[in-house]
Parts: sequence; structure tokens; C-alpha cells
Amino acid sequence: AQTVTQSQPEMSVQEAETVTLSCTYDTSESDYYLFWYKQPPSRQMILVIRQEAYKQQNATENRFSVNFQKAAKSFSLKISDSQLGDAAMYFCAYRGRNSGYALNFGKGTSLLVTP
Amino acid sequence: SAVISQKPSRDICQRGTSLTIQCQVDSQVTMMFWYRQQPGQSLTLIATANQGSEATYESGFVIDKFPISRPNLTFSTLTVSNMSPEDSSIYLCSVALQGSSYEQYFGPGTRLTVT
Repeated sequence: AQTVTQSQPEMSVQEAETVTLSCTYDTSESDYYLFWYKQPPSRQMILVIRQEAYKQQNATENRFSVNFQKAAKSFSLKISDSQLGDAAMYFCAYRGRNSGYALNFGKGTSLLVTP
Repeated sequence: SAVISQKPSRDICQRGTSLTIQCQVDSQVTMMFWYRQQPGQSLTLIATANQGSEATYESGFVIDKFPISRPNLTFSTLTVSNMSPEDSSIYLCSVALQGSSYEQYFGPGTRLTVT
């Protein structure tokens, strides 16, 4: 079974600064997808960014970008120019191409943004 | 993306009773999922509910406790039966949209408290 590990239960960043959230995963599959979801206090799960394992280029979405290291099985999320609205729980998730369509989530990282 | 609504948004129930949670999507989707998020925890998949077939349950979840209906491509229900305080959680439905990554979009969740 695939496991997703987020080793940082909590992180803190100052407004306008950059923060990186870590995620590692364990899989024997060669083709899969990785996602970062944001869950603010409203508890709505919001898709932040996705990465296909067969793509070498790191995904970017505005202020959000990933550092995908396939050999190391690492998938970190970088948030640039942090804003107060970025404060939330961030979950890393894995989906194997051949193992169904459900997501396997990490335990999450709570991000605090200070003024 | 997809717009997903859930009813109720929250409820407080007595031990031994049952609650049915509804999930409505604004477009037709094949794959729907039900997740549980216990307090302060990550999301755990309960079952996959595809229209036209029986729901597929994950290890640790059984149909007698969490019966699921999927009568059409835009609607599903999850019932939490014979509730105990351990069932106090947020229950979320999600849909996977067809595309290269079958990315998932989530409903706002139902916060259940069992007393």
C-alpha cells in the first residue's frame, strides 16, 4: 500500500515570505499523480496543485509551485509571497494510475501566516 | 471543476440513531467517493460509489454500518448507522472528473457529533 508522509505537523511563515511544505511517499508504481489540497477553517478541501509523475517539469499555479523529485519520492509545495489567506491545513495526496481513483492522504501540515 | 453540496452541513445526534448525508453534484459524474475526517486527523476513504454498481468499501468499513446509495450520476447518500461517539467526524463526498489526472473535488463536508 502506498503511504504519504508529511513530516511537518506545523509550519509558520511571515506575510510576503516564502515557505516550503514537505511530502514524501512510498510506492512501487511508476505512473501516478500527486496533489496538494488546502483545507481552511471552513473545512472545504481546495485543490491547490497537481503533478503527473511522467512529467519532469514541476507544476506551478500562480504563487504555488512544487519541487517533484521522482527518484527521491519527494513532492514539496512552495508558497511564495505568503498571504494571510494561505493559513490552512495542507494535505499531500497520492493517486496511483493503476490502483483506482481514490486519494491516499498524508496527515497534513498546519500553516500559520503571521502579519 | 464541479460544484458539490452536502446536506446537512452539521448535526448533533444521539447514540444508537442513524443519519443520512446527501451529496449533490452540479454535473454528471461517474466516480464519487466518501471520506471520513476524524477530529484533527487526515482524510480516510470509506468507499467508492460508482453509479450502476455496488459501493466498494475500504478495509475497516462495512456496508451495514455505512450503507451508500447512488441512484443517478449527480447524487449519492451515505448513512451512518447505529451511531456511537466514535463516529463523530467530518464526512466528505468527492467526485473525480474525467481527464488526465481524474482530479477530485470535494463537498463542504458534514460535521457530525454523536452524544
